[in-house]
Amino acid sequence: EVQLVESGGGLVRPGESRRLSCAASGFTFSSFAMSWVRQAPGKGLEWVSSISGGGRATYFADSVRGRFTISRDNSKSTLYLQMDTVRVEDTAIYYCAKAPGEWPSYYYMDVWGTGTTVTVSS
Amino acid sequence: EIVMTQSPATLSVSPGERVTLSCRASHTFSSNLAWYQQRPGQPPRLLIYGASTRATGVPARFSGSGSGTEFTLTISSLQSEDFAVYHCQQYNNWPWTFGQGTKVEIK
Repeated sequence: EVQLVESGGGLVRPGESRRLSCAASGFTFSSFAMSWVRQAPGKGLEWVSSISGGGRATYFADSVRGRFTISRDNSKSTLYLQMDTVRVEDTAIYYCAKAPGEWPSYYYMDVWGTGTTVTVSS
Repeated sequence: EIVMTQSPATLSVSPGERVTLSCRASHTFSSNLAWYQQRPGQPPRLLIYGASTRATGVPARFSGSGSGTEFTLTISSLQSEDFAVYHCQQYNNWPWTFGQGTKVEIK
């Protein structure tokens, strides 16, 4: 069974850093692109970032570019989101999601994790 | 950036009714559109990709159509488990963008 489990959420002060992880199982992790999508309280979904299966290609939303970094360790089947200089508006549930192919371009998200909640507050 | 606009924001319907949800794009593209269902407290679940292809395990009562700037999700006969929020998403251009969601609630 394909499974994605996020961790690393919690309370973060504005301006600080946090790293989120997403542990994958049930599929050949390196063969599939992965993404992070977030959902602020009571709001819709916002795509954050995507990375190719090999990790060479990355994409970011303007709202996080320069502050967030996406990476992956294919030997550990784990996806990461390094969040630096966080802002109050980064408060959200962060979901990791799998694409059905190696390159994220022109691919939707076919499996989603249950999410981890990040709260940015002083 | 392609702006996705869903309508209506909320739809009140009775079980068994036919439901049509709309998703409009600010710029035209072919068929790189997905629909997701999100039940309360749950992560999104892929329903439709390529504008009209049902994902694995999705009941046949769900269907998608459209291209260009107008896309539609239809539920032929609403079941109790279908009361949820539905999101459309374009994956044709970066940045990927979602509509604001349509909540389907019990009338």
